[in-house]
Amino acid sequence: DADVTQTPRNRITKTGKRIMLECSQTKGHDRMYWYRQDPGLGLRLIYYSFDVKDINKGEISDGYSVSRQAQAKFSLSLESAIPNQTALYFCATSDPGGYEAFFGQGTRLTVV
Amino acid sequence: DQQVKQNSPSLSVQEGRISILNCDYTNSMFDYFLWYKKYPAEGPTFLISISSIKDKNEDGRFTVFLNKSAKHLSLHIVPSQPGDSAVYFCADSGGATNKLIFGTGTLLAVQP
Repeated sequence: DADVTQTPRNRITKTGKRIMLECSQTKGHDRMYWYRQDPGLGLRLIYYSFDVKDINKGEISDGYSVSRQAQAKFSLSLESAIPNQTALYFCATSDPGGYEAFFGQGTRLTVV
Repeated sequence: DQQVKQNSPSLSVQEGRISILNCDYTNSMFDYFLWYKKYPAEGPTFLISISSIKDKNEDGRFTVFLNKSAKHLSLHIVPSQPGDSAVYFCADSGGATNKLIFGTGTLLAVQP
């Protein structure tokens, strides 16, 4: 089983709909991140969390919200999806001591 | 402001030759800098890192060089192999903030 699991892997949704992307990890790490990847823009940080009670905005948090339900679970929500949120979304975890981040396989989201 | 820039969107090299990927950063704090590799339809995977107190770190065919005065790092792959063809992202661990920030990526194509 993957260390970082994202669900769903692919999703098509309509403009204005609420959608949640889920992430769970078995690494036992405290730190979790959500990124989006767009062509030519690389990986941009949306939100990050260093423990269950710590949530921080990243570079592009507008239009998104997150919930850290447990150490192992970090979900990303789009309250009212819009077409420019069409992207590949990645969840990642890291250990404070190692700096290395482990990524999920990604969720391809299309907003029509 | 913490930024990481990769000015070359793509690079093509012949198998067996050296690949050099470059990255510039703005952060002045004590950091780790990391390189990640990403294949299509997969999440990024950690490749190699370097502490800001070092100038060089080597792991097999991969070497990362850090020029602190120029705020520049580079990844050397020698010899390059077709399986190295992927998108390479450099990242800044964010020092005390631990806000893991990525560059825009460089697509490396190694020609047989």
